[in-house]
Amino acid sequence: KAGVTQTPRYLIKTRGQQVTLSCSPISGHRSVSWYQQTPGQGLQFLFEYFSETQRNKGNFPGRFSGRQFSNSRSEMNVSTLELGDSALYLCASSAAGTPDTQYFGPGTRLTVL
Amino acid sequence: GQQVMQIPQYQHVQEGEDFTTYCNSSTTLSNIQWYKQRPGGHPVFLIQLVKSGEVKKQKRLTFQFGEAKKNSSLHITATQTTDVGTYFCAGRPTGSARQLTFGSGTQLTVLP
Repeated sequence: KAGVTQTPRYLIKTRGQQVTLSCSPISGHRSVSWYQQTPGQGLQFLFEYFSETQRNKGNFPGRFSGRQFSNSRSEMNVSTLELGDSALYLCASSAAGTPDTQYFGPGTRLTVL
Repeated sequence: GQQVMQIPQYQHVQEGEDFTTYCNSSTTLSNIQWYKQRPGGHPVFLIQLVKSGEVKKQKRLTFQFGEAKKNSSLHITATQTTDVGTYFCAGRPTGSARQLTFGSGTQLTVLP
């Protein structure tokens, strides 16, 4: 099976812009979670989706939003980018029977200038 | 909210020495997972522990889940340079739909 894929892999934006990141889970996985990883803060939970429904949301401002499509692919959007949004954004998918066994994609490295 | 603390934050060992990282949760966990992230890579699932007091081994790695299901440890015997990376624990509180929470990670450096 192909692993989790994320696009784009690298992105450079300027403050105030918005960005959309995409994630395709492992085939058959219906749960997708998003994390922000920075050197100082570790892995911070953003969202968790299952069958197009948001099950959990982390403590991030409303500028961060996400959605999941009927084919389980997911997108996250960050509006009005700030310098502090520079990070590695990781997507992880899991199977319905083992929701806590997460398979991570390679991540999208976002740099905000 | 739930907190998962991991210590130490950094560990440097000489190749061949043992290494242990500890994970402590403020709440009881339904299970705990361990992940390894190599430098420049993404977290990779290592193992899941579910039962109170459970011990699992993977070659030189030994994982333990505490009796109270609030703490866990990962022990590596005779480290090798291939063990370099950051080790994360992750857990979800028992009986709730709250999210999986990752520990802050322990960054292991193995000196040849």
